[in-house]
Amino acid sequence: DAGITQSPRHKVTETGTPVTLRCHQTENHRYMYWYRQDPGHGLRLIHYSYGVKDTDKGEVSDGYSVSRSKTEDFLLTLESATSSQTSVYFCAISPATGYTDSYEQYFGPGTRLTVT
Amino acid sequence: AQKITQTQPGMFVQEKEAVTLDCTYDTSDPSYGLFWYKQPSSGEMIFLIYQGSYDQQNATEGRYSLNFQKARKSANLVISASQLGDSAMYFCAMRGNFNKFYFGSGTKLNVKP
Repeated sequence: DAGITQSPRHKVTETGTPVTLRCHQTENHRYMYWYRQDPGHGLRLIHYSYGVKDTDKGEVSDGYSVSRSKTEDFLLTLESATSSQTSVYFCAISPATGYTDSYEQYFGPGTRLTVT
Repeated sequence: AQKITQTQPGMFVQEKEAVTLDCTYDTSDPSYGLFWYKQPSSGEMIFLIYQGSYDQQNATEGRYSLNFQKARKSANLVISASQLGDSAMYFCAMRGNFNKFYFGSGTKLNVKP
């Protein structure tokens, strides 16, 4: 199994509070991703990183920021949580260096976030 | 625009029968990869099979095969000899430019004994 952990695994927070989710990998893979999973939408990309301090937006990036100061850690921050951000958040990693590679993504166990 | 469409929200199949899960995609990238993932009720995402856009042959992995029709932009997953443990959500995904991944909304498969 790919070495990916997410913390916390469950969190309940109040509207308006900041929240940071952590993704940690032991694989030294270049690419790291944050997704949210909601019923009827599958997984939607929030942000991703292609190296230390190199990040880019996904399709649902509003209200989220990320940081990657070390290869192994990718942080997702909700600056001011809203109820619409209640979701399951997945981190993923990939060693891919080019888009013709066959490398798939390896997923973390997920974080269930509830914003009340 | 990159998009993955799975038109079957839910499906039933009898144990030991084959089932096809549909996936169509839209991309303007000349090179891309197509993936299928399984998500059981426990929540983890499990990689099943990969097809590259330049691959001439359809991918196979055990009981899973990917029916790739490039001209129709479809990448259907075929599961042969369904088992009760195949009951899960199945997601089709595409890796496009800049190594971004795009996922469909999923198909919930129920295998009946």
